Formats: sequence, structure tokens, C-alpha cells
Amino acid sequence: EVQLVESGGGLVQPGRSLRVSCAASGFTFDDYAMHWVRQGPGKGLEWVSSISWNSNKIVYADSVKGRFTISRDNTKNSMYLQMNNLRPEDTALYYCAKGSTGYISTWWGYWGQGTPVTVSS
Amino acid sequence: NFMLTQPHSVSESPGKTVTISCTGTGYSIASNYVQWNQQRPGSAPTTVIYEDNRRPSGVPDRFSGSLDISSNSASLTISGLKTEDEADYYCQTFDGNNWLFGGGTKLTVL
Repeated sequence: EVQLVESGGGLVQPGRSLRVSCAASGFTFDDYAMHWVRQGPGKGLEWVSSISWNSNKIVYADSVKGRFTISRDNTKNSMYLQMNNLRPEDTALYYCAKGSTGYISTWWGYWGQGTPVTVSS
Repeated sequence: NFMLTQPHSVSESPGKTVTISCTGTGYSIASNYVQWNQQRPGSAPTTVIYEDNRRPSGVPDRFSGSLDISSNSASLTISGLKTEDEADYYCQTFDGNNWLFGGGTKLTVL
């Protein structure tokens, strides 16, 4: 059974950093692209970043480019999102999702349950 | 910039059929596949349609997807509505560089 478990969320002050993680199980992690999506309170889904199976292709939404860094460790079946210079508008539930192939452009099959990030002083 | 526009809300009675649209602007919606995701209240999203009109295993055939090139839009149709279908629905596509979501449509089954 595919499982994606996010962790590392919490309360952080504006301008500070936080790293959230996504632990994967139930599939061959290094065969698949992975994605981060967020959902602000009462808002819709917003794509954040995607990473290919071998980390050779990485893309970011304009809203986080230059502040967030996506990475993965295939030896640990894990993906990460390093978030720097956080802003109040980054407050959201952060979901990880699994692609259907190793390439970032193909459909997504599974989503985690999310980890909450609150940016506030 | 490419955008996906969805109606804010739709409602229909149990047993009926409802269609939710997703209109692309600034880009041809046929250029890349469209995916549809369901998000029930308090839950994570799940995929109900991928590659325009294909269903993941476990999704009932009451759910179907289609494209209308003339209106540059995709549609999700749910037939035989059940109360459990009440949820937010999001269309999604890849524009070559970025993933994009529509704003979401709240489906009320009453």
C-alpha cells in the first residue's frame, strides 16, 4: 500500500526557516517523481514544487522561487522542502504527492495527509 | 499566463448528473493532459480522473472526464450522484514548466 507521511510542520516567525519532510513507503521511491502542494486556510490547492526521480529536473512556483528548495534522498525514501525567509502568506497545509512516472510532467496518483505550517509572529 | 477557471460552486440532487467545467485561458487545454482531484471536507485530495478521461483503479465509472477543444475546456461529469460525492473538485494540468490548479468547485448534493 502506498503511503506518504509528511512531517516537520509547525509555527515559525516571519523571515525564519523550516524544513518539512515526506516519508514514502509501499512503492519503489526512486522510480517516481514527487511533488509538493499547499493549501492555505479556506483556500484552494496551490502547486509549490516538483522533482524528478533522479533530481535532474526541479521546478518551482514563482511564489516560492528563490526561497524554497526541494530535494530527495532515494536511499531514505524521503523528500524534503526547505523553506527559507518564510512569509505569513506561506501559511498552509503542505501536501506531498507521488507522480505516476519518474518525470515531473505526468499525472499524480497519491497524496499524503499534509503537515501544517503557520508563519506568524 | 495560463490559467484554469472553474465555477465556484454547483449543486444537484442525489441520483442526478452534474458536470463541472475547467476553462483554460492563455494556453491550449489540449496541449497537455488534464487531471481531476476530489477533496472531501477535512481530507486530503484524491485523484478521480487522469489523462483527460481515465479513471484510477477504485474510482467508480460514475466519474468521467472529457475535453471540448472548441471552448478550450475540460469537464468532469458525475452521474448517479451520491451524498458521498459532496466535495471540492480541482482540475489540474502541466503547462510545460509548471503545474497549475483550477480554483476548485464546491459540489453540493442536496
